[in-house]
Amino acid sequence: SQQGEEDPQALSIQEGENATMNCSYKTSINNLQWYRQNSGRGLVHLILIRSNEREKHSGRLRVTLDTSKKSSSLLITASRAADTASYFCATALISGTYKYIFGTGTRLKVLA
Amino acid sequence: NAGVTQTPKFRVLKTGQSMTLLCAQDMNHEYMYWYRQDPGMGLRLIHYSVGEGTTAKGEVPDGYNVSRLKKQNFLLGLESAAPSQTSVYFCASSDRAGTASGNTIYFGEGSWLTVV
Repeated sequence: SQQGEEDPQALSIQEGENATMNCSYKTSINNLQWYRQNSGRGLVHLILIRSNEREKHSGRLRVTLDTSKKSSSLLITASRAADTASYFCATALISGTYKYIFGTGTRLKVLA
Repeated sequence: NAGVTQTPKFRVLKTGQSMTLLCAQDMNHEYMYWYRQDPGMGLRLIHYSVGEGTTAKGEVPDGYNVSRLKKQNFLLGLESAAPSQTSVYFCASSDRAGTASGNTIYFGEGSWLTVV
């Protein structure tokens, strides 16, 4: 079963609005990352938050992490049509070797 | 800087045929991964490698084999292709934990495989 589950599965908003997507995971993590995937392309790293951090910012991105609830959220402020993509969370497990488990993704559509 | 390169980009196989997907990275990364992406399933880890000569099973390893004979290359093999293996395959790499970029995974552009 998937370690990460994003919510919602799909999101459609108007340009200029904020987009919020959530990720829930099941086991203890070392860090959590968010990736973006444009249609037909590979994934691109956006931002990383460590297990001892609660919030992190990068440009128009804001990520929060609640380890007690095993959840994270990604906020994209002032969205643009170019933000249209799928967004995935990835968790690095604490145990053993360094492997990353991805969630199922949120498909974001920003309407111009 | 090419990053992660996958070949081929598209391939159609008949059931029972075999093939190898090639992945090369030029970033001197220790870790390499093969994922498959299916609609509604997200990315699932097939196999991964934490160094030259080592491989390990991921979430969905059945029907696949891998080899990491050289640090820069990670090969994914399908010995006897099945329609259930129709998918988009992504190779990825990352540096060792503790390095400046150790936590960032770099992806290839994907290989679209159809098994008929």
